[in-house]
Formats: sequence, C-alpha cells, structure tokens
Amino acid sequence: DIQLTQSPSYVYASVGDRVTITCRASQTVSNFLHWYLQKPGKAPELLIYTASNLQSGVPSRFSGSGSGTDFTLTISSVQPEDFATYYCQQSYSAVMFTFGQGTKVQIK
Amino acid sequence: EVHLLASGGRLVQPGESLRLSCAVSGFSFSDYAMSWVRQAPGKGLEWVSSLSGSGGTTYYADSVKGRFTISRDNSKNTLFLQVDRLRDDDTALYFCAKGSSSWPNRDNGLDVWGQGTTVTVSS
Repeated sequence: DIQLTQSPSYVYASVGDRVTITCRASQTVSNFLHWYLQKPGKAPELLIYTASNLQSGVPSRFSGSGSGTDFTLTISSVQPEDFATYYCQQSYSAVMFTFGQGTKVQIK
Repeated sequence: EVHLLASGGRLVQPGESLRLSCAVSGFSFSDYAMSWVRQAPGKGLEWVSSLSGSGGTTYYADSVKGRFTISRDNSKNTLFLQVDRLRDDDTALYFCAKGSSSWPNRDNGLDVWGQGTTVTVSS
C-alpha cells in the first residue's frame, strides 16, 4: 500500500502569510497526487489535481508542485476563508487510493 | 449543475447491515468512476471504495474488504455501498464522490462530492 505523510499536522498563520504544506509518499505516485480542502461541517473540495493543476474556480493563490514522492501545496497569501484542513490523495496505485492524514491551517 | 445526494445512513447495532445510496444528476453517470470516502468523528478522510464507470471493476480499502460491496445502477444514476457486519469503527460520515474519468486510478482526482450520510454503529 502507498502511504502518504503530510507535514506539518498544524499550521498557525496570519492573514496574508505564505503557507506551505508537504505530502510525502512511501513510493512513487508519479504526478497522480491531488489536494483537497475541507471546511468544518462541509464536504471536501478538489483544489489541485495531478500535483500542479488548479481545479476550475480555485483562486490562483493556491499552487502545487512536486513529482515522484515529494509534493507541496502553497497558499501564497492566506485569506480568512482558507483556514481549513487540507488533504493530499494519491490515485497512482492500481488498487487503493489513500489520503494523507490532513493538515489544519489555523489562525495565529 | 452536478449534484450528488447520499442517503441511507442511520444508527445500527454491531453486526448489522446497511445499504447506502448516492443519487447523482447533471452528468453522464456511466462515463465516470465513483468512490466512497468516510470520515470518523474528529478524524481525517479515509478512502473506502471505488468503482469504474461500467461497474465492472471494484476497489476496496483493506479495512472494509470482504464486508463492504460497491455497486452502481447506471440506468438509475445511483451509486450504492452495501455495508455488512458493521463494527464500532465503521462509525463515520460517508461521502460519495465523482471521479474525473471512467477509471479511478491515474485520474485527475475526485472533482465533485456529496454532502455525506452518517452511519453510527453502537450497541
């Protein structure tokens, strides 16, 4: 099974800060690594697909990079609506499509 | 507009069964893989199961293999999850989600999600 490890588990930021979250895979996932945002009480939303592609409607302050085993989600200037939990997920595996454990972005 | 509506969750006792449903609209259902993802109270997302667009290929997490069965009725635009021999640790909010292609692997992520249905397993 491919395991995904996100770091850090918590990020404390102020509005306007740059925030970076990493996701490391236990083996290569090529670029089949996706990022989701989940606000409290809501369903997750797709932010970035295949490592670096911005989903339609997602603000350009979000960006993704990486390939193989190491990936990064960056919020260039955190806005109040961005305080939420972020998850990575891989769809490279032939049989299982795991999520990372999540990173919660909180107000400092 | 694409819409997914999950239903069927309720309070059950350990060992019992449930059938979750996800009614979809706004896209050509049979052209896309579908998935179930769950979230235990206060915990992260856990991928549970996926199904190809045709319904011919299924995928399961180890934690549910042999107890859960995913299926779809493409004529009724509905996804199902039969959950048997329920355990306390199956308690969660179950989301259905649309894939971005007809296969769930090597795709572009889960691009539309339903609001979820709650399964509570307790004696």
